[in-house]
Amino acid sequence: GNSVTQMEGPVTLSEEAFLTINCTYTATGYPSLFWYVQYPGEGLQLLLKATKADDKGSNKGFEATYRKETTSFHLEKGSVQVSDSAVYFCALSEWSGGGNKLTFGTGTQLKVEL
Amino acid sequence: DAGVTQSPTHLIKTRGQHVTLRCSPISGHKSVSWYQQVLGQGPQFIFQYYEKEERGRGNFPDRFSARQFPNYSSELNVNALLLGDSALYLCASSLEGTVNTGELFFGEGSRLTVL
Repeated sequence: GNSVTQMEGPVTLSEEAFLTINCTYTATGYPSLFWYVQYPGEGLQLLLKATKADDKGSNKGFEATYRKETTSFHLEKGSVQVSDSAVYFCALSEWSGGGNKLTFGTGTQLKVEL
Repeated sequence: DAGVTQSPTHLIKTRGQHVTLRCSPISGHKSVSWYQQVLGQGPQFIFQYYEKEERGRGNFPDRFSARQFPNYSSELNVNALLLGDSALYLCASSLEGTVNTGELFFGEGSRLTVL
């Protein structure tokens, strides 16, 4: 079946450092790809999405490009802040039994220090 | 506007018991999905309902069931609880029955502990 693989955490960075969180996927079709973020004590929030190859999703300084040739959707940010500390989940959508579902990676915890 | 609301936020049960979790979607959203998030892992899809009909089911045993009501709220039921059912149960709503065309809005979850 379809699957998502993320780099393991925790990732610890100093404020203003460059962030990359790797995500690769396996899918039989042409899924849409998402990054969700989970701040401490809160639910999942959509960070950005891309629905077709070569699309770039962006939000709050984060961006990710849908790379079909490498089946990747890496998350990047040029300068992280302490407030970016959270768990980040890469996910893809797939059709299952008449409805759509999200398949998530295991999550990558990001800690940003002063 | 209220987001997705779930109840209860925390609960403790013992093995063999039954649990019911409730979810109210964002006003106007007709699709509700349930996910199980075990500590340290990503959420796993359990069910999707759209317009009160089941549209998708994940790889979970028949002990798990759900339904959606005419007001689009939803219940997740788990019978004969096992220790391995301990997890955060997330409810998500969306405008349509697909995730490709729109985002899922998640609640903060119901944390179930089975002793």
